[in-house]
Amino acid sequence: GAGVSQSPSNKVTEKGKDVELRCDPISGHTALYWYRQSLGQGLEFLIYFQGNSAPDKSGLPSDRFSAERTGGSVSTLTIQRTQQEDSAVYLCASSSGQGGYYGYTFGSGTRLTVV
Amino acid sequence: DAKTTQPNSMESNEEEPVHLPCNHSTISGTDYIHWYRQLPSQGPEYVIHGLTSNVNNRMASLAIAEDRKSSTLILHRATLRDAAVYYCIRASSNYQLIWGAGTKLIIKP
Repeated sequence: GAGVSQSPSNKVTEKGKDVELRCDPISGHTALYWYRQSLGQGLEFLIYFQGNSAPDKSGLPSDRFSAERTGGSVSTLTIQRTQQEDSAVYLCASSSGQGGYYGYTFGSGTRLTVV
Repeated sequence: DAKTTQPNSMESNEEEPVHLPCNHSTISGTDYIHWYRQLPSQGPEYVIHGLTSNVNNRMASLAIAEDRKSSTLILHRATLRDAAVYYCIRASSNYQLIWGAGTKLIIKP
């Protein structure tokens, strides 16, 4: 597609339920990031994928969070046993490659609300 | 601190130029400087990026200090649609993106 697509755009879930958030990056982009943005705050890094390399998971806040990227394309961020503090906008970004030479394209995000 | 430093907010009049500053005093020689802007309920949007030389595109200009410890995003003629939060980012040669807290730009008609 022309841009980074994220789904769903909004998700309301009950505390304790699992959720899956999807990111469809720009075709051919090898680098993919997940960020989290709480209301009125900056972006918090979660995880980074680059091609077939092992992902950098250093930003995941707890073991309830996991992410995978299948076939070097679509990525899924899974949050198990959701808590109210997980409520935020989850943003995905992709890039042509590694390093600042390339610009980054962000999706519109998934707004997660845990009630 | 490795983060970039930006003013919390700035105001400008419509149709006037806007200069948004950013300090990145710990930048390394291979880090690129990126600027993105974010409108409410949207993901960040690419504005411009550069390494050493000043850069121009249809949206803005980027002026990078000779020592690269600071940069300025220039909107030549602000419109109401330019009201957004502007983020200055250090993009390292590996993959790390170091974000500032962003500057909320308010445009007065």
